[in-house]
Amino acid sequence: AQSVSQHNHHVILSEAASLELGCNYSYGGTVNLFWYVQYPGQHLQLLLKYFSGDPLVKGIKGFEAEFIKSKFSFNLRKPSVQWSDTAEYFCALYLNRDDKIIFGKGTRLHILP
Amino acid sequence: DAGVIQSPRHEVTEMGQEVTLRCKPISGHDYLFWYRQTMMRGLELLIYFNNNVPIDDSGMPEDRFSAKMPNASFSTLKIQPSEPRDSAVYFCASSDPGQGNTEAFFGQGTRLTVV
Repeated sequence: AQSVSQHNHHVILSEAASLELGCNYSYGGTVNLFWYVQYPGQHLQLLLKYFSGDPLVKGIKGFEAEFIKSKFSFNLRKPSVQWSDTAEYFCALYLNRDDKIIFGKGTRLHILP
Repeated sequence: DAGVIQSPRHEVTEMGQEVTLRCKPISGHDYLFWYRQTMMRGLELLIYFNNNVPIDDSGMPEDRFSAKMPNASFSTLKIQPSEPRDSAVYFCASSDPGQGNTEAFFGQGTRLTVV
């Protein structure tokens, strides 16, 4: 069955630390992958997306993600985090057979100033 | 476009009361999704519509939940009767995959508290 798994439920880092949030998916169809961010008290916003082509995708605010087909992974990275990156991050998968998007359970990122 | 618009932003109601959440998708988007977000379960897809027709409601937790989309610019999610365990943030989202934009655009959400 199709699914999205995020390995870390809660991550705490200091400012300037490097970040990597794990995401694995299970799906046999065409892969469209997303990372969304939800700042405290706000709605989900698209951070970046992968449809095809270059597996290294760059998004807003210095975030990037790498699609590794052999590992069924789409990890999110940022070389140096800021306090303002404190938020919840969701990995998501578009199911092209159903035209719907399913989400991982999210990772709460807390950046210490 | 103003984006996906949800109302109300906050709703506090007593157990047993009927609750109606409203959503206006982005104009031209032919898919509309209702999600529920809780600490325990994360973001769950409840139901989604294509061109106003419900496609999959398998995520609706119980018969107390119902959703309608009478036209392309309006949808409701109703809970009747409401229970404390329904307390959550309910998000509406829309998309237009036919144009190659498969990502979902989210509304601000309705924070529901059932006491």
